[in-house]
Amino acid sequence: RKEVEQDPGPFNVPEGATVAFNCTYSNSASQSFFWYRQDCRKEPKLLMSVYSSGNEDGRFTAQLNRASQYISLLIRDSKLSDSATYLCVVRYSGAGSYQLTFGKGTKLSVIP
Amino acid sequence: DAGVIQSPRHEVTEMGQEVTLRCKPISGHNSLFWYRQTMMRGLELLIYFNNNVPIDDSGMPEDRFSAKMPNASFSTLKIQPSEPRDSAVYFCASSFGGGYTFGSGTRLTVV
Repeated sequence: RKEVEQDPGPFNVPEGATVAFNCTYSNSASQSFFWYRQDCRKEPKLLMSVYSSGNEDGRFTAQLNRASQYISLLIRDSKLSDSATYLCVVRYSGAGSYQLTFGKGTKLSVIP
Repeated sequence: DAGVIQSPRHEVTEMGQEVTLRCKPISGHNSLFWYRQTMMRGLELLIYFNNNVPIDDSGMPEDRFSAKMPNASFSTLKIQPSEPRDSAVYFCASSFGGGYTFGSGTRLTVV
């Protein structure tokens, strides 16, 4: 079974803190990687793709380690509006290449 | 673009009743996915269509579940008969070439 594993949290951090989430995936044939954000009682939305060389989008930095099969997301200077569940997502190569497999998510609460 | 449209937003039904969930994908998207989300299991892929053809239905839990995509702009997920353990949020998503856009989901409660 293809699996994506995440620490469910919750992570409770004060405003302004830096927080990091990790995710591991089991299938070495994995092709593409993403972080999605899901607000309470809402649908998941793409936060950012994760590239092999690492990539940054404002306060968010994503890293990929193919050798260890893990992905990370770093959030700097946390805002109250960052409170959400962060889903690690993997797309596998092969016949089902457009299928995304989601981790169960890590819940983040940013506290005033 | 109105995005992926799902209906109904909420559905409460009695055990044994038939439930039909509906999805209109984004125009031009050629892939459509039905997911189910629960606290225990997270987001699970139920079935995936490409160009209206079911490609992978291995996630459909049992014969009580069926999905159709009669054309590029409409899909249904049907549960017959429904059971309390089917209670979940059902998401439809569509894509073209990779990125997914999710609908707002249908929150199903079977009592």
